[in-house]
Amino acid sequence: DIVMTQSPDSLAVSLGERATINCESRQTVLYDSLNKYYLAWYQQKPGQPPKLLIYWASTRESGVPDRFSGSGSGTHFTLTISSLQAEDVAVYYCQQYYSTPWTFGQGTKVEIK
Amino acid sequence: QVQLQESGPGLVKPSGTLSLTCAVSGGSITSSNWWSWVRQSPGKGLEWIGEVFHSGSTNYNPSLKSRVTMSVDKSKNQFSLQLTSVTAADTALYYCARDRYITVWGQGTLVTVSS
Repeated sequence: DIVMTQSPDSLAVSLGERATINCESRQTVLYDSLNKYYLAWYQQKPGQPPKLLIYWASTRESGVPDRFSGSGSGTHFTLTISSLQAEDVAVYYCQQYYSTPWTFGQGTKVEIK
Repeated sequence: QVQLQESGPGLVKPSGTLSLTCAVSGGSITSSNWWSWVRQSPGKGLEWIGEVFHSGSTNYNPSLKSRVTMSVDKSKNQFSLQLTSVTAADTALYYCARDRYITVWGQGTLVTVSS
């Protein structure tokens, strides 16, 4: 299995400030022939299922605000919230869909400072 | 737009079989998508259980493979999960979902394993 490790486990950011969440895969999730990273990010609010934010490591899902961006290369990936809003309080997960079993990071809880 | 709705017993006895169904609305289960089950428990976070294609092809998580069966019912536009020999460790919120990077999630159904 490809182990996905997120850091930090939680972070508190002031409104309007930048939040950065890291995700590391123990093995590559890059499909060389397509030059695509098989890496997604989700947001989960209490009592709701996760919501897809980013796929292919950096492609924003339709309807997702542009303050959310994904980046990375190799085995290190980042989800950035450029200007934290109150509605962004949630737990964020990364997921690899490069090889089965698809696996998720343990989650990062984002709160308001 | 496609919506998913899980249904099934909320309580299963230890050593019994967990059976859940996911109804697909707003789209066809015969579209070119994989249909998945994911569970979430406080102790283990999000865990992918497996996926099924409308042809009947499946991929299962090796950690659960010996106990899992997934199937598709095209006539009812739904897919199903069976998990046998359940224990308390299988207590979780079970989601049905679409695609490998998951674009659509059901609301989830809580299944508790207890006598």
